[in-house]
Amino acid sequence: EAQVTQNPRYLITVTGKKLTVTCSQNMNHEYMSWYRQDPGLGLRQIYYSMNVEVTDKGDVPEGYKVSRKEKRNFPLILESPSPNQTSLYFCASSPQGTSLYEQYFGPGTRLTVT
Amino acid sequence: GENVEQHPSTLSVQEGDSAVIKCTYSDSASNYFPWYKQELGKRPQLIIDIRSNVGEKKDQRIAVTLNKTAKHFSLHITETQPEDSAVYFCAAVGSTLGRLYFGRGTQLTVWP
Repeated sequence: EAQVTQNPRYLITVTGKKLTVTCSQNMNHEYMSWYRQDPGLGLRQIYYSMNVEVTDKGDVPEGYKVSRKEKRNFPLILESPSPNQTSLYFCASSPQGTSLYEQYFGPGTRLTVT
Repeated sequence: GENVEQHPSTLSVQEGDSAVIKCTYSDSASNYFPWYKQELGKRPQLIIDIRSNVGEKKDQRIAVTLNKTAKHFSLHITETQPEDSAVYFCAAVGSTLGRLYFGRGTQLTVWP
């Protein structure tokens, strides 16, 4: 089954404790992206990757890191989480070419930083 | 960068009526405009999109129109049904490949 998976789905952590949210897709998509969703603010792009070893900043990259060492995985790293990073996070992927923005979203990760 | 504004933030309609959601964008180089539907507790899903060389696109009860001169695009849902209730997001792809800019969303409620 074609899908985007994220882990964990729910996470409660404390300020300053490094964490990684994994994202994996099995559709051989070149493009992957991370978004955060906050009430009243919609979806905001954090980082995106056009292909392996290519990553770029989105709207709100501060406090986040990403890596794209292989096509299927695009982990989101919070080196020192803070309460303002409490949010719902979505990973998405899509193929290159004319379908570049026909994104498939993962199920979401709800993160709470206390 | 691009700025996408979406109105209204909430919309309530009676089943069978039409619903219209409007978005404006600021970057005249934007060339692709997708719309996503997000049901409660679910992930966003692409429902329709339009490219800058097309003025209107229709898919059954859903249509999207684009006015490049005025820099606005709209989602039209006809004969609404309770299952259309969801949050709808518009988005624009600007001049930088890979960058998507989203509106803040519209909560649509369809009353039976």
